[in-house]
Amino acid sequence: SQTIHQWPATLVQPVGSPLSLECTVEGTSNPNLYWYRQAAGRGLQLLFYSVGIGQISSEVPQNLSASRPQDRQFILSSKKLLLSDSGFYLCAWSVIGGTEAFFGQGTRLTVV
Amino acid sequence: QKEVEQNSGPLSVPEGAIASLNCTYSDRGSQSFFWYRQYSGKSPELIMSIYSNGDKEDGRFTAQLNKASQYVSLLIRDSQPSDSATYLCAVKVPGNTPLVFGKGTRLSVIA
Repeated sequence: SQTIHQWPATLVQPVGSPLSLECTVEGTSNPNLYWYRQAAGRGLQLLFYSVGIGQISSEVPQNLSASRPQDRQFILSSKKLLLSDSGFYLCAWSVIGGTEAFFGQGTRLTVV
Repeated sequence: QKEVEQNSGPLSVPEGAIASLNCTYSDRGSQSFFWYRQYSGKSPELIMSIYSNGDKEDGRFTAQLNKASQYVSLLIRDSQPSDSATYLCAVKVPGNTPLVFGKGTRLSVIA
């Protein structure tokens, strides 16, 4: 069966510090991968999605970037965090060309 | 712009009642429709999917789809306090594109 791992679960970072969140999927090949952010009391905002290695689509211009160095690995990064980057970051996957998406456990990021 | 609209709630229902959650979408090309449940502080969990007009039942949950009206709903029968959560509606057009989510409806089931 397929599983998705996302870490860390919680993170407190100072303003201006770098960020790296990692997500890996097991049990499937060539998945579509997604990064979402959910601010407190808000809906899911799609940040990036990838349909293959090295293929990243950015939905929202900001100081975040994403990379997909391996088929089942998706990384969200920032060089300098802002207070507004605080939120609940969720990685998700779906079968390529498929329909439903499945979420990892999420990372709660607090920028102080 | 593809949009999915949901009433943010909170929707409060007594235990044992039917909870009715509604969702409308703007893109007539949408073909796949989903309901996710998100408990506070947790990630969304897929609970229902529906692809054809009509009703789809799974236990206490019934999803309803009306493509002509661009309307999706979720009924929860015999609501339990454990159903208290935010329910997210998501839609998808064919092809290798992401789901589009609504902002969710917060449901509170009162014991």
